[in-house]
Amino acid sequence: AQKITQTQPGMFVQEKEAVTLDCTYDTSDQSYGLFWYKQPSSGEMIFLIYQGSYDEQNATEGRYSLNFQKARKSANLVISASQLGDSAMYFCAMREAFQGAQKLVFGQGTRLTINP
Amino acid sequence: KAGVTQTPRYLIKTRGQQVTLSCSPISGHRSVSWYQQTPGQGLQFLFEYFSETQRNKGNFPGRFSGRQFSNSRSEMNVSTLELGDSALYLCASSFYGEGTDTQYFGPGTRLTVL
Repeated sequence: AQKITQTQPGMFVQEKEAVTLDCTYDTSDQSYGLFWYKQPSSGEMIFLIYQGSYDEQNATEGRYSLNFQKARKSANLVISASQLGDSAMYFCAMREAFQGAQKLVFGQGTRLTINP
Repeated sequence: KAGVTQTPRYLIKTRGQQVTLSCSPISGHRSVSWYQQTPGQGLQFLFEYFSETQRNKGNFPGRFSGRQFSNSRSEMNVSTLELGDSALYLCASSFYGEGTDTQYFGPGTRLTVL
């Protein structure tokens, strides 16, 4: 079974600084996908970025980038120039396929707090 | 394009009752997945539907059930509610629910069981 580990329960960062949220994963599959979601206090899970296991380039989406190190099985999220609105829970997730259907396996999350 | 919608947003029930939650996916999306989020267990997969068929089910008791309609809207039902069922229930939709499909989540239904 696949497993996602997020070792930072909480992080505190000054506004405008860059922040790296750690994610390591465990899978025996050759083909897999990794996702990052943001969950504000309102509860909605907001999709941020996706990285496929065969993607040669690290994924980027605006201020978000994914530092994908396949050999180390890590997929860290980097947020550049953090903003107060970035304060939220962040979840790393892996797509697990079962008979063609996918489900997401989530890590425990990291609570990010941006200080002014 | 409208996002995933879930109704109701909040529910308060008592033990032993049953509850039905509704999810309307993004237009064109045919796969709907349900997740339960609790402080203790985190986010756990409940089940996934595609074209009115349940394709995948998580490790939950039979009290948790769901269905999907021809317009891709989905409902989940929890019977004989227990205190431990108090959670945020999140619905997610995607085109086909496989491959590189991204799942987009709704705002969730927060269920409190007293």
